[in-house]
Amino acid sequence: DVKVTQSSRYLVKRTGEKVFLECVQDMDHENMFWYRQDPGLGLRLIYFSYDVKMKEKGDIPEGYSVSREKKERFSLILESASTNQTSMYLCASSFVRTVGDNEQFFGPGTRLTVL
Amino acid sequence: LAKTTQPISMDSYEGQEVNITCSHNNIATNDYITWYQQFPSQGPRFIIQGYKTKVTNEVASLFIPADRKSSTLSLPRVSLSDTAVYYCLVGDMRQAGTALIFGKGTTLSVSS
Repeated sequence: DVKVTQSSRYLVKRTGEKVFLECVQDMDHENMFWYRQDPGLGLRLIYFSYDVKMKEKGDIPEGYSVSREKKERFSLILESASTNQTSMYLCASSFVRTVGDNEQFFGPGTRLTVL
Repeated sequence: LAKTTQPISMDSYEGQEVNITCSHNNIATNDYITWYQQFPSQGPRFIIQGYKTKVTNEVASLFIPADRKSSTLSLPRVSLSDTAVYYCLVGDMRQAGTALIFGKGTTLSVSS
């Protein structure tokens, strides 16, 4: 089974702290994604990566950065956490296939609270 | 990326068939239509994907008309455990550097 793991299920940080959210997948997927999910807003894409050291902005990249030094690991960084970044953060991964396949595999999520 | 429109919420009773329709008027030739299911406090889970006509698996069926401007996810004989948010997405993940847009989804509530 594909496994996508996230470093923490719950995290509490203070305003201004630097926060690292880690995601690891074990299926050699090329693509990795970071989303945030807020009530009434659905899933919104923050950043994604289709290869090591490659990154693309999603819909809401402001206040975030990412790092992908190894294929299996994709990190989301909040340089200076703010209260409006309190949210559920979801990581996902997928193949880049030759035949159309839009299946993404999601991790369990990290619920981040910024005080 | 093609934008999708689906109902915000739907209600059903156990044992009924549920059909959730999604509009995607500007779907591109290479786009596939994909549906995900999300339970509370979990990440979304892939349910079904199709390009045209009908696709069926052990969980659901997906109906896509010839013009591909809409699609319908059909859940046969729903149970309480089918209460979840259902997302319709269109896109082509074959290209590196592309991503799918999830949107707000349809919240399905199944009652006994």
